[in-house]
Amino acid sequence: DARVTQTPRHKVTEMGQEVTMRCQPILGHNTVFWYRQTMMQGLELLAYFRNRAPLDDSGMPKDRFSAEMPDATLATLKIQPSEPRDSAVYFCASGFGSGNEQFFGPGTRLTVL
Amino acid sequence: QKEVEQDPGPLSVPEGAIVSLNCTYSNSAFQYFMWYRQYSRKGPELLMYTYSSGNKEDGRFTAQVDKSSKYISLFIRDSQPSDSATYLCAMRGGGGSNYKLTFGKGTLLTVNP
Repeated sequence: DARVTQTPRHKVTEMGQEVTMRCQPILGHNTVFWYRQTMMQGLELLAYFRNRAPLDDSGMPKDRFSAEMPDATLATLKIQPSEPRDSAVYFCASGFGSGNEQFFGPGTRLTVL
Repeated sequence: QKEVEQDPGPLSVPEGAIVSLNCTYSNSAFQYFMWYRQYSRKGPELLMYTYSSGNKEDGRFTAQVDKSSKYISLFIRDSQPSDSATYLCAMRGGGGSNYKLTFGKGTLLTVNP
């Protein structure tokens, strides 16, 4: 049963600390997306990659967020330094082809104190 | 005005009821329209998608798109308690390299047995 995996599932950290979230897309998928979900804003696209190349990161605060795909089986999202307003659930999704169907991971629930 | 507007609900219906969920949008470039379902503390999963205007049926679910009114709907017939979830509409423009989805905030649905 192929699925997107994300680690960690939960993270509590203090303001100013670095946070790294990892995602393993479904094998064979060539598009990877990072989303953030909050009650206020809903699901927001932060960045996405196609064949490991970044296509759009306009949704990401550039001064503190960075997203990379070191290889086809790993995508990372880093926040440095973290702030309380970064508290949210971060989802990774992967897809193939048109992008209409995106397969979401279980999310990383981040709390920044 | 956000690009995609969706009434957050909550919506509570008795089992067996017909449910109507809706979204409006402002960007006339949107051509692909999707409905995702998200159970509590899970990632969204695709229910169905349609291209341009028209209807699409899949079992108890029917998606409708009216591009002239910039209005999309999802109907659930014979609703079941297992349909209780948040329903998110999503849409994107055409073009071979545009994979970015814009999501509504979601409508929380509860189907009571």
